[in-house]
Amino acid sequence: AQKITQTQPGMFVQEKEAVTLDCTYDTSDQSYGLFWYKQPSSGEMIFLIYQGSYDEQNATEGRYSLNFQKARKSANLVISASQLGDSAMYFCAMREGLIQGGKLIFGQGTELSVKP
Amino acid sequence: KAGVTQTPRYLIKTRGQQVTLSCSPISGHRSVSWYQQTPGQGLQFLFEYFSETQRNKGNFPGRFSGRQFSNSRSEMNVSTLELGDSALYLCASSLRGASSTDTQYFGPGTRLTVL
Repeated sequence: AQKITQTQPGMFVQEKEAVTLDCTYDTSDQSYGLFWYKQPSSGEMIFLIYQGSYDEQNATEGRYSLNFQKARKSANLVISASQLGDSAMYFCAMREGLIQGGKLIFGQGTELSVKP
Repeated sequence: KAGVTQTPRYLIKTRGQQVTLSCSPISGHRSVSWYQQTPGQGLQFLFEYFSETQRNKGNFPGRFSGRQFSNSRSEMNVSTLELGDSALYLCASSLRGASSTDTQYFGPGTRLTVL
């Protein structure tokens, strides 16, 4: 069963506008972490933001915020004031707390294109 | 602080050969994980090492193996290469890799092409 679902294969956004990238997840663990990574065409995965399952506040990191709705099992990434450099693949990932040994489960990704 | 480094960045091999990829984690990080990324299968977990011990392994054949040294540097080896092994291989390091809060930081990847 798919544990991380990103339903938007590709998205376009106008420069300086906000954009929301969707992510839903499935786990029976009470303790888990949700991560968003950015992958430019160069291939490197860049960590953006983290949300813990017990965190009551939505995570924010600069222009990135995470809209965490635990009951709906969704962890959407919001990018405010999009920039041309934001064009990249974006991956949502989950780390389940009961599994030892650093295993991240990734979604299929969303390709974001920022238009000037 | 230097990031995760991977060598080589690009490799071209032929079927049947073997290959070794190297990863140096961020200083102080003791957990190293490896992932394979292909257009068809996406990002898949290969294995994770901590203190020179493999703690978790993904669903890959035994041709894929790895190890970690006492300085936390890690290598992965793929023997008897197949065309389907062509992929971007990403290494990630974290402090301990022991909890859901431990953030993994990735290297630039090694792009392997099997001809």
